[in-house]
Amino acid sequence: NAGVTQTPKFRVLKTGQSMTLLCAQDMNHEYMYWYRQDPGMGLRLIHYSVGEGTTAKGEVPDGYNVSRLKKQNFLLGLESAAPSQTSVYFCASSSGWPYSNQPQHFGDGTRLSIL
Amino acid sequence: DAKTTQPPSMDCAEGRAANLPCNHSTISGNEYVYWYRHIHSQGPQYIIHGLKNNETNEMASLIITEDRKSSTLILPHATLRDTAVYYCIVRAITQGGSEKLVFGKGTKLTVNP
Repeated sequence: NAGVTQTPKFRVLKTGQSMTLLCAQDMNHEYMYWYRQDPGMGLRLIHYSVGEGTTAKGEVPDGYNVSRLKKQNFLLGLESAAPSQTSVYFCASSSGWPYSNQPQHFGDGTRLSIL
Repeated sequence: DAKTTQPPSMDCAEGRAANLPCNHSTISGNEYVYWYRHIHSQGPQYIIHGLKNNETNEMASLIITEDRKSSTLILPHATLRDTAVYYCIVRAITQGGSEKLVFGKGTKLTVNP
């Protein structure tokens, strides 16, 4: 069972470069999320989507853009990478309303380093 | 979303029960309590959730106090592979829109041989 798959698993970028992180889920979930985790901190929500074609800002959206063109995919973009964006990025998905009490399922993360 | 408070770290002997507490004194009537854990190099893993009643599944049990201001996650027979950071999260269920989890710093559980 694939569940939530994140691509790539590791990446090193130079300051100012751009890249896109891909998240794919095969559970037909409505909701998808992007989090980042930094040392000594819990996961923080960057952006999320409650359905195809919709996105919304989370706690720390600055410097990131997202798109949800297909229900199964949620893309996270860094237009001009900065060292402060060095982090581990996690994608998650969950059922939407009216099954909103169902848990989020996470991918295994993308480790991104910005030099 | 209501705020949660957890001890920063706990130790448990292998084979014994691990009881992880969580305070959520500002929880409101429509908010569920969720538990996740995060093992290094993996994504966070869902464990269990509940609203009012105690819950049990193949991984753990969740005991919620009658006033719902606190809860305890119980791993009945802890193994070394249960060493992880455990997060207690309270989440409101809303129609249509703002679904999100707010992760605090969690409890670092170390299971010792």
